[in-house]
Amino acid sequence: DVKVTQSSRYLVKRTGEKVFLECVQDMDHENMFWYRQDPGLGLRLIYFSYDVKMKEKGDIPEGYSVSREKKERFSLILESASTNQTSMYLCASSLWEEAFFGQGTRLTVV
Amino acid sequence: DAKTTQPNSMESNEEEPVHLPCNHSTISGTDYIHWYRQLPSQGPEYVIHGLTSNVNNRMASLAIAEDRKSSTLILHRATLRDAAVYYCILRDMGYALNFGKGTSLLVTP
Repeated sequence: DVKVTQSSRYLVKRTGEKVFLECVQDMDHENMFWYRQDPGLGLRLIYFSYDVKMKEKGDIPEGYSVSREKKERFSLILESASTNQTSMYLCASSLWEEAFFGQGTRLTVV
Repeated sequence: DAKTTQPNSMESNEEEPVHLPCNHSTISGTDYIHWYRQLPSQGPEYVIHGLTSNVNNRMASLAIAEDRKSSTLILHRATLRDAAVYYCILRDMGYALNFGKGTSLLVTP
């Protein structure tokens, strides 16, 4: 059974903290993605990676960075968390056809 | 990026066919049309994709206009479990999936 696993379902962090959201896939996919989802705004692409150590900015990269040191793992980093980064974060992986999504991490920044 | 336009919401009766429209007038020749859906409290899941010809799979059918400027996702017999947000996405090979706001489908018994 194919799987994209996000490290936490729920996370509460303080303003100014450095936050790491981890995503692991077991399908040997080249492409991995990070999205955030907010009510009324749909899914917005933050970053994607098409290979190890390769990354491209999505629509809303400000305030975020990413790391992909190994093919199976794609990390989203909030360098200094702010309250406007409270959101649902979704990770996905794909070859070029079907993408598979994790269950999401609901991050609250207080 | 080529954009898609979908109705914000649609409603259907259970066990009836549903036709979900998508307009993509600026589609390029290398864009594939993908459909995903997101059930409540879950991540999106793949439904179907196509380039020029109509496509069928166990979940749905995809009808693509001859000029490729629009497409329709067809659920042949809606069930309550099909209530979800449906996203129509254009994707060039190897590029990212850019979701819009999708169509929220309500299925009533």
